[in-house]
Amino acid sequence: EVHLVESGGGLVQPGGSLRLSCAASAFTFNTYSMNWVRQAPGKGLEWVSHISSSSSTIYYANSVKGRFTISRDNGKNSLYLQMNNLRAEDTAVYFCARESGGAWNYWYFDLWGRGTLVTVSS
Amino acid sequence: DIQMTQSPSSLSASVGDRVTITCRASQSIYIYLNWYQQKPGKAPKLLIYAASSLQSGVPSRFSGSGSGTDFTLTISSLQPEDFATYYCQQSYSTRTFGQGTKVEIK
Repeated sequence: EVHLVESGGGLVQPGGSLRLSCAASAFTFNTYSMNWVRQAPGKGLEWVSHISSSSSTIYYANSVKGRFTISRDNGKNSLYLQMNNLRAEDTAVYFCARESGGAWNYWYFDLWGRGTLVTVSS
Repeated sequence: DIQMTQSPSSLSASVGDRVTITCRASQSIYIYLNWYQQKPGKAPKLLIYAASSLQSGVPSRFSGSGSGTDFTLTISSLQPEDFATYYCQQSYSTRTFGQGTKVEIK
């Protein structure tokens, strides 16, 4: 079955670091762009970062630029998010999402993981 | 950065009602607009991509329209399982979500 599974969340102090992972199964991971999306408790969805299939194109939301680093290992079918200098406002469930484009490259997130909770608190 | 604004933020409706949610982009995004449904404690689910294309497996009561800066998601006859929060998202330049529209039972 096609799916994504996030891991690595937990409780971290402000200023600390955490590395999230997303394991992909049952699809050709190295042909898809991937994204991280987060959702603070009781809030809406916030796109965090994008990485292309070959890692040649990377984008970040302004709120995490300079603190978060997205990467992938196509040999391990895995996506990562290194989060440094964490703040209370980074507290959220972090989802990884596969990006598809269809025949005309109208990009959309068609597969999501269940998410992993990151809590930044002292 | 492109900003996405949804309206209303919430609405109350009854089973069988026709429901319309609007999404406006801060600049033209052509048809690079997607709609997602999210239920509490669950991951979002893709409903509509490229403004009006129905994702496989999604009921035909869901439809999308629009281009440029103004877009609409319509549920033609609201069903009990449709009570959820709906998000628009642009993929023309980086990625951005709208703030969400919560559809509640009247």
